[in-house]
Amino acid sequence: AQTVTQSQPEMSVQEAETVTLSCTYDTSESDYYLFWYKQPPSRQMILVIRQEAYKQQNATENRFSVNFQKAAKSFSLKISDSQLGDAAMYFCAYRFATNKLIFGTGTLLAVQP
Amino acid sequence: GAVVSQHPSWVICKSGTSVKIECRSLDFQATTMFWYRQFPKQSLMLMATSNEGSKATYEQGVEKDKFLINHASLTLSTLTVTSAHPEDSSFYICSARDVNGKEQFFGPGTRLTVL
Repeated sequence: AQTVTQSQPEMSVQEAETVTLSCTYDTSESDYYLFWYKQPPSRQMILVIRQEAYKQQNATENRFSVNFQKAAKSFSLKISDSQLGDAAMYFCAYRFATNKLIFGTGTLLAVQP
Repeated sequence: GAVVSQHPSWVICKSGTSVKIECRSLDFQATTMFWYRQFPKQSLMLMATSNEGSKATYEQGVEKDKFLINHASLTLSTLTVTSAHPEDSSFYICSARDVNGKEQFFGPGTRLTVL
């Protein structure tokens, strides 16, 4: 069965610094999608970045980038130039071929001014 | 971008009553919608997949007779919590998949408190 693991319950970063959030997953599928979602205190889920497994190139969205290691089943999120507004819960997610999503347990990111 | 709304945003009800939560895709058609439950300081857990015009598919451990899902149109899915009890108190989130299927768009969630 597919699983998603986030081993860092909490992380902290200084404003303007870089932080990396870890995510590992387990699957027997060869083609799938991985996502990072942000959930601020409002609890609205916001898509941060998407990675298609068949693409070797790591996805990038402005200050957000991923390090996708398919063989290692690792999908980490790097946030550069951290801003106070980046403080939130971050969830890694795996999408099945049926379009169902399973989420990791989340990492609570604090940004220190 | 695609917008998904939920109504109500917050509801308090007495134990034993039923509560209906609506999920609407405002500017796109959603053949598939998903319902999640999130307890405090926990992750989102998928409850069921709702397909327009057909019966919902429930995840293991979710009582289909307690959590009734109806997806009557391409823009509306409803979740009814029947005979609610305090342990059903949670944050319920829906998402909708657009016809291209590349991503899901999430609603803002509904906080249910059962007294």
